[in-house]
Amino acid sequence: NAGVMQNPRHLVRRRGQEARLRCSPMKGHSHVYWYRQLPEEGLKFMVYLQKENIIDESGMPKERFSAEFPKEGPSILRIQQVVRGDSAAYFCASSPPPVRETQYFGPGTRLLVL
Amino acid sequence: QQQVKQSPQSLIVQKGGISIINCAYENTAFDYFPWYQQFPGKGPALLIAIRPDVSEKKEGRFTISFNKSAKQFSLHIMDSQPGDSATYFCAATVSGAGSYQLTFGKGTKLSVIP
Repeated sequence: NAGVMQNPRHLVRRRGQEARLRCSPMKGHSHVYWYRQLPEEGLKFMVYLQKENIIDESGMPKERFSAEFPKEGPSILRIQQVVRGDSAAYFCASSPPPVRETQYFGPGTRLLVL
Repeated sequence: QQQVKQSPQSLIVQKGGISIINCAYENTAFDYFPWYQQFPGKGPALLIAIRPDVSEKKEGRFTISFNKSAKQFSLHIMDSQPGDSATYFCAATVSGAGSYQLTFGKGTKLSVIP
């Protein structure tokens, strides 16, 4: 059973460009969470999605960040007009119903903004 | 903001020794407490988790101790090995509350020396 998959693993963007991060949950998991990890810091919750629904986006910055989890295909975290402060590791996690608190993480996407 | 405070920030243990990492929380509604292990460049891996209805849980060399009245929990790694050298994160969440977002501690970097 493949784990949570994320791509790309590394992404370099210049200030003002867009970043798109993809996450495919584990087979049978219908809940996806995005977390951000700054250097030497713990992970911070960003958003929680089910298929075609955003359940909780209380951790998402109000501007430039958006997330979706369509009926078909991976979940996408989109960052528009990136700034240097967006440089971080972005992790996706998925959980099986009904034990949604048990979250399994992907390998992450390391975003570097030049 | 709900917090989970983790200590120490770093820990050096001799091979064969016991590694102890502590966490304290504020939100009494938290009812699920996982520990994650993260190697450099990798995603966090779920190690072991506990709920407040038990005071201790053991899986192999890893044990969680939980003190509900003190709002504290800790990870003990028995017979620590160089391969255990990693960063460990405690976390907490409220299950059944709709979001299941994990609140993480800032991490403990463990180095096990031969």
